[in-house]
Amino acid sequence: EIVMTQSPATLSVSPGERVTLSCRASQSVSSNLAWFQQKPGQAPRLLVYAASTRATGVPARFSGRGSGTEFTLTISSLQSEDFAVYFCQQYNDWLMYSFGQGTKLEIK
Amino acid sequence: QLQLQESGPGVVKPSQTLSLTCSVSGGSISSGDAYWSWIRQHPGKGLEWIGYIYHSGSTHSNPSLKSRVTISVDRSTNQFSLMLTSVTAADTAVYFCARASGLRAVWTYWGQGSLVTVSS
Repeated sequence: EIVMTQSPATLSVSPGERVTLSCRASQSVSSNLAWFQQKPGQAPRLLVYAASTRATGVPARFSGRGSGTEFTLTISSLQSEDFAVYFCQQYNDWLMYSFGQGTKLEIK
Repeated sequence: QLQLQESGPGVVKPSQTLSLTCSVSGGSISSGDAYWSWIRQHPGKGLEWIGYIYHSGSTHSNPSLKSRVTISVDRSTNQFSLMLTSVTAADTAVYFCARASGLRAVWTYWGQGSLVTVSS
């Protein structure tokens, strides 16, 4: 199983700030990496796929980078609606998809 | 716009079988390279992939759950289903159904989720 490790677990930030979330894979997943946003009581929402491609309707302030084992999701200027939990997920190994444990963005 | 909706009992007794159905609307379950998955989330925790099915009926499951999981598809009703046998409290979770356009592809469409509690 490919283990996905996200850091930090929690990030306290102020609206308007720039924030970068990290995700590391235990082995290469090429660019087969997605980022999801999840708010309480809701299903995950796809933000980024193929490591750096924004999904339809996702604001340009969200950007993904990386390949292989190291990935980042940057939110250039945090809006109030961005406070949520963010998960990375690898889909390179289609026999065993796996998620990171999540990073919670909270208001400072 | 494709929509997915989970349905099933909210409470299941320990040792019994959990059964959920995902109803697909706005598109055919037999379309193209669509793979239909079940994913769960334990309360306050992360996400765990359970398994997927192709419209032909071919399936694959998470090895940690494989012995207890059955996923099936009903093309006539545009639904797919999950059965998880011998449940325990550790199976209490929100269960999501989702669609990806291929094996090495992302889940673009998700259901809203269905909370299943295992309790006597």
